[in-house]
Amino acid sequence: GAVVSQHPSWVICKSGTSVKIECRSLDFQATTMFWYRQFPKQSLMLMATSNEGSKATYEQGVEKDKFLINHASLTLSTLTVTSAHPEDSSFYICSAREGLAGKNEQYFGPGTRLTVT
Amino acid sequence: GQSLEQPSEVTAVEGAIVQINCTYQTSGFYGLSWYQQHDGGAPTFLSYNALDGLEETGRFSSFLSRSDSYGYLLLQELQMKDSASYFCAVPTGGGNKLTFGTGTQLKVEL
Repeated sequence: GAVVSQHPSWVICKSGTSVKIECRSLDFQATTMFWYRQFPKQSLMLMATSNEGSKATYEQGVEKDKFLINHASLTLSTLTVTSAHPEDSSFYICSAREGLAGKNEQYFGPGTRLTVT
Repeated sequence: GQSLEQPSEVTAVEGAIVQINCTYQTSGFYGLSWYQQHDGGAPTFLSYNALDGLEETGRFSSFLSRSDSYGYLLLQELQMKDSASYFCAVPTGGGNKLTFGTGTQLKVEL
């Protein structure tokens, strides 16, 4: 149980284009989903928290107009990187939480590697 | 703010025991989690300590000392497949989100 999928697993796009990444909870309803970015050899940095049906809460320093997050259903959240640039190249990981805030209920997706050329 | 510091790299031989430390500074503390991440993969949950002491799960154990703001992950009988990055993490934002440590890359050698 508690499987989270991401699509695509990797994507290459040209500078200036937009890329959409999907995150799905396959066997549970995710009240909250999280989006992280991870650069090589670095830690996971939380970008934003999204709750189903409401606007995402972005971490300090993350541009909400550049990283559009939509959490339209209890099983799907999308991250759109708009007008991507090479510095946006990174590993994007989502996670999903089923219940209330607590210790360890986040389940992570396999990640999406974005390369912007 | 929150900060969780870990050694950047640890190297050990197969069959050995290794300890990965985590020191943290947080406003509000709920507990300390540990995650394993292989290259290019998803973080997978290993353990969680809410109270002081040692929690054992198979070859992996995790320890917490809240008074010292310190914890560690202990890996026994190391195997090659244990080569990965290990992150400590704490719930923050009132427990609504996770903040990860700097991460430790473990290399297991023959």
